[in-house]
Amino acid sequence: GENVEQHPSTLSVQEGDSAVIKCTYSDSASNYFPWYKQELGKGPQLIIDIRSNVGEKKDQRIAVTLNKTAKHFSLHITETQPEDSAVYFCAARENRDDKIIFGKGTRLHILP
Amino acid sequence: ETGVTQSPTHLIKTRGQQVTLRCSSQSGHNTVSWYQQALGQGPQFIFQYYREEENGRGNFPPRFSGLQFPNYSSELNVNALELDDSALYLCASSLVGADEQFFGPGTRLTVL
Repeated sequence: GENVEQHPSTLSVQEGDSAVIKCTYSDSASNYFPWYKQELGKGPQLIIDIRSNVGEKKDQRIAVTLNKTAKHFSLHITETQPEDSAVYFCAARENRDDKIIFGKGTRLHILP
Repeated sequence: ETGVTQSPTHLIKTRGQQVTLRCSSQSGHNTVSWYQQALGQGPQFIFQYYREEENGRGNFPPRFSGLQFPNYSSELNVNALELDDSALYLCASSLVGADEQFFGPGTRLTVL
């Protein structure tokens, strides 16, 4: 089955700088890669996603890139703000049964 | 548009007991997925329900069972609770065939 690895587990960046979180997946048949933000005491919130037929997608300060050959995908947050502090999860969906497999998460701290 | 809601918010049970958690899907969504999120980990897929039938299952024993009702709401039942069942249980709803899943706030279960 699918396995998703996420790095780093913790990331601290100065406010205004960029943050990058990287993930790898194992199943070449996976076709959908969402990113979720989880704040304390809340459920995960979908912030951006990308499908396997697209290499890059951007939504304001957030962008995601996908390298199907290397089975890598990354989240880029530019001009970070205090409200970006949260835990971020990458995930991959197995094509055969729609099961979504999550990484272990990255705790992002935005330093003032 | 009403989002995904879950009840109860928190629950404390003792080992060996049984528990039922409830989820109301987002308006118009006909598919419900359940996830278990242990502390410091990413959500793990338990199972998915569509048209009142189980439509995919993760690596969870049979004592984890579910139901979906005609109004698309869902229940997660766990029998013979074990200490390791302590976790945040998340429900996510989606439209069949659509990629995006939207999560509720979760139910925090503590097993003593």
